[in-house]
Amino acid sequence: GNSVTQMEGPVTLSEEAFLTINCTYTATGYPSLFWYVQYPGEGLQLLLKATKADDKGSNKGFEATYRKETTSFHLEKGSVQVSDSAVYFCALGLNRDDKIIFGKGTRLHILP
Amino acid sequence: GAVVSQHPSRVICKSGTSVKIECRSLDFQATTMFWYRQFPKQSLMLMATSNEGSKATYEQGVEKDKFLINHASLTLSTLTVTSAHPEDSSFYICSAQSLAGGPGELFFGEGSRLTVL
Repeated sequence: GNSVTQMEGPVTLSEEAFLTINCTYTATGYPSLFWYVQYPGEGLQLLLKATKADDKGSNKGFEATYRKETTSFHLEKGSVQVSDSAVYFCALGLNRDDKIIFGKGTRLHILP
Repeated sequence: GAVVSQHPSRVICKSGTSVKIECRSLDFQATTMFWYRQFPKQSLMLMATSNEGSKATYEQGVEKDKFLINHASLTLSTLTVTSAHPEDSSFYICSAQSLAGGPGELFFGEGSRLTVL
């Protein structure tokens, strides 16, 4: 079946540290991959996406590369800020009108 | 960017009453809307998929008679929690898929926190 596995949190880092949140997937077919972010008390927002192998999605200093050979889509940021504290969800989508599948989310705490 | 609005953002009700939550796509048409329930440890559970003009498709384990979903137009879906009980207290989030968007390009509402006393 189709699924997304991401590292469990919470992840606590100091400001300006390097961030990696691991995400791997299993899918039949060729999924699109996404990272969504949920700030405290809010709904989810699309952070970045990649639609085919070797694509790199980027936004707000975050990057993730679609790696078909390792079925991964790890989220990275070179220097995190306190404002990056949020829950991050990795997700995959297969078809136009099909539901997307979310990972369980990783809570990120950034300390000043 | 595309905006999805949920209302109300917070609601408190007595046990046994029904509560309606609205999800509107403000600047685009949404053929498909999704309703989620988010539990305290952040896990997001898909409850149902609603398509405009047809019956919602519920996920396994979700009571369709308790969580009534209506998607009457391309910009509005509603979730009604009927005969609410304290265990229904949760954060409910909707998302909408734009007609022009690709798979997974969802736009989320701000969420509605339901507290049942």
